[in-house]
Amino acid sequence: TQLLEQSPQFLSIQEGENLTVYCNSSSVFSSLQWYRQEPGEGPVLLVTVVTGGEVKKLKRLTFQFGDARKDSSLHITAAQPGDTGLYLCGGSNYKLTFGKGTLLTVNP
Amino acid sequence: KAGVTQTPRYLIKTRGQQVTLSCSPISGHRSVSWYQQTPGQGLQFLFEYFSETQRNKGNFPGRFSGRQFSNSRSEMNVSTLELGDSALYLCASSLTGQEYEQYFGPGTRLTVT
Repeated sequence: TQLLEQSPQFLSIQEGENLTVYCNSSSVFSSLQWYRQEPGEGPVLLVTVVTGGEVKKLKRLTFQFGDARKDSSLHITAAQPGDTGLYLCGGSNYKLTFGKGTLLTVNP
Repeated sequence: KAGVTQTPRYLIKTRGQQVTLSCSPISGHRSVSWYQQTPGQGLQFLFEYFSETQRNKGNFPGRFSGRQFSNSRSEMNVSTLELGDSALYLCASSLTGQEYEQYFGPGTRLTVT
């Protein structure tokens, strides 16, 4: 059974702070995706990482895929209230697996 | 290009009833997957359809079923509803060969009383 563990489960910070959330597994994935889900909506795809050690930036968001392709991190610089949401990671090899997410709240 | 649409957005049913949810994928996407999302279990895979055939199936009882039509639109049905079936049901579509990138609809919030 492939499992993706996300940490922390909950995170509440003030506007302007930096944060990092993690997605870990004992399984190797051929690619890993990050999604953000806002209340009452479906998850929205943010990024796909494919190569071990790969780093991708999306404005204030930085995504990194671990060298062994078993883990990933998402770093947000100078968080804003609009970053509030549930951040999900999803891994794929022969099937898709999702973590339970990190619920981020950015307070003004 | 229009996103994934799901109908209805909200639904309240009684235990024992059945329900049918509908999903229209992004134009050109032939793969449609269904997920159940609950606070305790997170996002759980129900099944995936491609070219009107079920290609993958998750670990859900036979009360959960689905189908896909020739225009790639999909429906899922839940029979004999239980209280535990209350959840957000999400449909996602993807491009052929890029099924690892799921494009989700807004979901149907099902409440079973």
